[in-house]
Amino acid sequence: AQSVTQLDSHVSVSEGTPVLLRCNYSSSYSPSLFWYVQHPNKGLQLLLKYTSAATLVKGINGFEAEFKKSETSFHLTKPSAHMSDAAEYFCVVSARGGGSQGNLIFGKGTKLSVKP
Amino acid sequence: NAGVTQTPKFRVLKTGQSMTLLCAQDMNHEYMYWYRQDPGMGLRLIHYSVGEGTTAKGEVPDGYNVSRLKKQNFLLGLESAAPSQTSVYFCASSPRDSGRARETQYFGPGTRLLVL
Repeated sequence: AQSVTQLDSHVSVSEGTPVLLRCNYSSSYSPSLFWYVQHPNKGLQLLLKYTSAATLVKGINGFEAEFKKSETSFHLTKPSAHMSDAAEYFCVVSARGGGSQGNLIFGKGTKLSVKP
Repeated sequence: NAGVTQTPKFRVLKTGQSMTLLCAQDMNHEYMYWYRQDPGMGLRLIHYSVGEGTTAKGEVPDGYNVSRLKKQNFLLGLESAAPSQTSVYFCASSPRDSGRARETQYFGPGTRLLVL
C-alpha cells in the first residue's frame, strides 16, 4: 500500500529565508507524487507533481521538490519565503494497483507560518 | 470555465437531518471524487466515480451515499447526519486515464458542514 508521511505538522520561517517542508513516501511501485497548497478558507491548488520524469520538479510560485528514491523522500523547498506562502501544504501519493488505481492519498499536512 | 463548483458553501444541520451536497464540473472529466478534511487528518476519500452511473467506496464511506446520474454532477448524501460528520467537504474531478493524467485532480472550493 502507498502512504506519505509529512514529518512536521508546523513550520515557521522568517520572510526571505528558505523553506523546507519534508515528506517521506512509501510505495512498492514507481510513485507519482504531488504537493498541494491550501490557503486559509480556500480550496486546494496543485503546486507541482512528479511522474517519473526529471527528479527535480519545479512548480508554481518558486517552489520545487526533489524525488530521492534512495531516501524515499519528496521534500518541498523554496529559496526565499514570502508572506503569501503562509498556508497548509499537503504531500500526496497516487495509489497503484487494483480498483483504487489513480486515487490520491494525502499526508496530514504541514502548516507554514511566515514571520515578517 | 467555472471548473469545479460546490453547493452549498456552508450548512448547519441538526443531528438526524439529511442533506445533499452537489458537485458540478464543466471540464468533461470522467472521474469525480468526494473528500472530507478534518484538522490534522489531511483529506480522506469518501466515495469516487469513474464514470456516469458508477460509484465506488473510498477510505471513509460509512454514513454517506453518492450518485452520478449525469457526467458533470456528483452528489454526496447524508441520510442521517451525525456530529462526527462535521467537516469540510471537497469535491474533485480528473480526466480520463491517459498515462497518468487521471492523477491530476482539480478541486472545488469546499463545503463547510456543521452538525449540531
